[in-house]
Amino acid sequence: AQSVTQLDSQVPVFEEAPVELRCNYSSSVSVYLFWYVQYPNQGLQLLLKYLSGSTLVESINGFEAEFNKSQTSFHLRKPSVHISDTAEYFCAVSERGYQKVTFGTGTKLQVIP
Amino acid sequence: SQTIHQWPATLVQPVGSPLSLECTVEGTSNPNLYWYRQAAGRGLQLLFYSVGIGQISSEVPQNLSASRPQDRQFILSSKKLLLSDSGFYLCAWSQTGMQFFGPGTRLTVL
Repeated sequence: AQSVTQLDSQVPVFEEAPVELRCNYSSSVSVYLFWYVQYPNQGLQLLLKYLSGSTLVESINGFEAEFNKSQTSFHLRKPSVHISDTAEYFCAVSERGYQKVTFGTGTKLQVIP
Repeated sequence: SQTIHQWPATLVQPVGSPLSLECTVEGTSNPNLYWYRQAAGRGLQLLFYSVGIGQISSEVPQNLSASRPQDRQFILSSKKLLLSDSGFYLCAWSQTGMQFFGPGTRLTVL
């Protein structure tokens, strides 16, 4: 069975500082990996995805994540955060050919002005 | 392009009352559909998923039920709400392993 671990429930960071949100997964087969972002009282939005190919994936708003198979990780990074990045971020894993996605418990990113 | 709708956006219901939340998807056919609940301070809990009309899989035992009367319609119901049913309910559809979420329904049971 697949599982996802987000060890940090909250991450405070000053504006314009870099940030890394950690995600580790467990699966016995090939996986798809995702990061979702949730703003207050809204649904989850897909931020970026790894399906195949390049292990470094990027979003349109400056976030990136790298699939590391040996460490079973998919950490999310941004070199310089903005106030508008304050939100909750969920890492997710889906086994290829499987219908269900398993979500982590989420990390709340708080950007401090 | 595909869009997913949920209504109502917010709902306040007394304990013991019935519930019906609706989700519809546009722009795709035969999607896989999902209901999640997000309780305060907790992650996403998968409640039900459906791979086709009339096909419902339940993930957790509870007093909720789901139905899929049409290809792109997914309904979450309860005959009698409990206090513990309060939370943020999210509907999603999937494609190539990715899930796309609706705006959610905030349910408060008093």
